[in-house]
Amino acid sequence: DQQVKQNSPSLSVQEGRISILNCDYTNSMFDYFLWYKKYPAEGPTFLISISSIKDKNEDGRFTVFLNKSAKHLSLHIVPSQPGDSAVYFCAASAWVTTDSWGKFQFGAGTQVVVTP
Amino acid sequence: DGGITQSPKYLFRKEGQNVTLSCEQNLNHDAMYWYRQDPGQGLRLIYYSQIVNDFQKGDIAEGYSVSREKKESFPLTVTSAQKNPTAFYLCASSSGANTEAFFGQGTRLTVV
Repeated sequence: DQQVKQNSPSLSVQEGRISILNCDYTNSMFDYFLWYKKYPAEGPTFLISISSIKDKNEDGRFTVFLNKSAKHLSLHIVPSQPGDSAVYFCAASAWVTTDSWGKFQFGAGTQVVVTP
Repeated sequence: DGGITQSPKYLFRKEGQNVTLSCEQNLNHDAMYWYRQDPGQGLRLIYYSQIVNDFQKGDIAEGYSVSREKKESFPLTVTSAQKNPTAFYLCASSSGANTEAFFGQGTRLTVV
């Protein structure tokens, strides 16, 4: 039962343009959401997070939007750079319930390719 | 330098053997996790530990075992009962509520 879904396995974008990555979740208890970037044979690197009390969080070129009613979040990367080519994972956790605190659930990832 | 260290980076195991993957963190984090990644798939949670001497099964715990005797260490044993152990294993830690998890560099386990 996949609680976090990234339905686009890949995304190709031109350098300088906007990359938009999408993520949907099913568990209404999730209250903290994160995006990670991963290169092959390496561990994921944290990019940006958002708590359920917000609908937007921005950090440099990265902005995460959260739509709780739709159980949907997205990551915008503007402008896209060649070094952004990687797999991006969406993750979610629920901190309010004792039995699952800190238990991060990950989506399947989206491969982003930024072309010159 | 604070961080999470996984060793070894590559590991080969014969069928029927148990093998232990090491994970050490010096971030003073309470929570630690083990994930597995298979080609084209996301990260699936094997086990997690919220505090020393306590751990919980994740979504795919069968064939794995862990211990958490020290705050900084969370070793994972892949037993012979794990039917498909070849995968990329990732260890992570986090400090508490609404904080991100930091990952190690991973261990690639191959059963030969």
